[in-house]
Amino acid sequence: EAQLLESGGGLVQPGGSLRLSCAASGFSFTSHTMSWIRQTPGKRLEWVAAIGGTDGVTFYAAPVRGRFTISRDNSKNTLYLYMTTLSVADTAVYYCVREVIGRAAADVWGRGALVTVSP
Amino acid sequence: SYVVTQPPSVSVAPGRTATLSCQGDNIAIKTIHWYRQRPGQAPVLIVYDGTDRPSRIPGRISVSAPNSGDTATLTINRVDAGDEADYYCQVWHLGSDWVFGGGTRLTVL
Repeated sequence: EAQLLESGGGLVQPGGSLRLSCAASGFSFTSHTMSWIRQTPGKRLEWVAAIGGTDGVTFYAAPVRGRFTISRDNSKNTLYLYMTTLSVADTAVYYCVREVIGRAAADVWGRGALVTVSP
Repeated sequence: SYVVTQPPSVSVAPGRTATLSCQGDNIAIKTIHWYRQRPGQAPVLIVYDGTDRPSRIPGRISVSAPNSGDTATLTINRVDAGDEADYYCQVWHLGSDWVFGGGTRLTVL
């Protein structure tokens, strides 16, 4: 069974940095584009970033471009999200997700990591 | 940027049919995906590519092709308490990437 497990969430002050990790298991990690999607306190879902399976090409949503960096270590089946210059607006549950091949849809979700940005 | 709109809430009696809408400019030409999120859980993909269901999703759930060009509809037949959840539609739009609707809370009366 395909599984994703996030870690690294927590409380950080505005302007601070944080790195999330996501350990994948039960599927061919390199076959899938992986993404991060966040859910705000108001329950809105927002796509954050994506990275290709083998080519490592990255894509970012406008609100995080230049501040967040998505990466992956295929030898460790692990996805990362490095977040800098955090603001209160970045407070959310961050989900690691697996994309359906070629479909821009998420068929496997982790349990989520809560990131709280507060003074 | 592209905007997708869903009604905030829908209520339905057990055993009846729930219809959840997803509206966006000319959404009929886009590929639409639907997710269900039960309280305290992560979202789950229940319909992808407009009409396809993962094998674990029951046949009571179906999607109607957009009937006006701007609205897609998720239908849940014979609703029961287990269907109570938030439902999100999502499309991909050039320039906006993944776009989610605001979600509809389905309440089973």
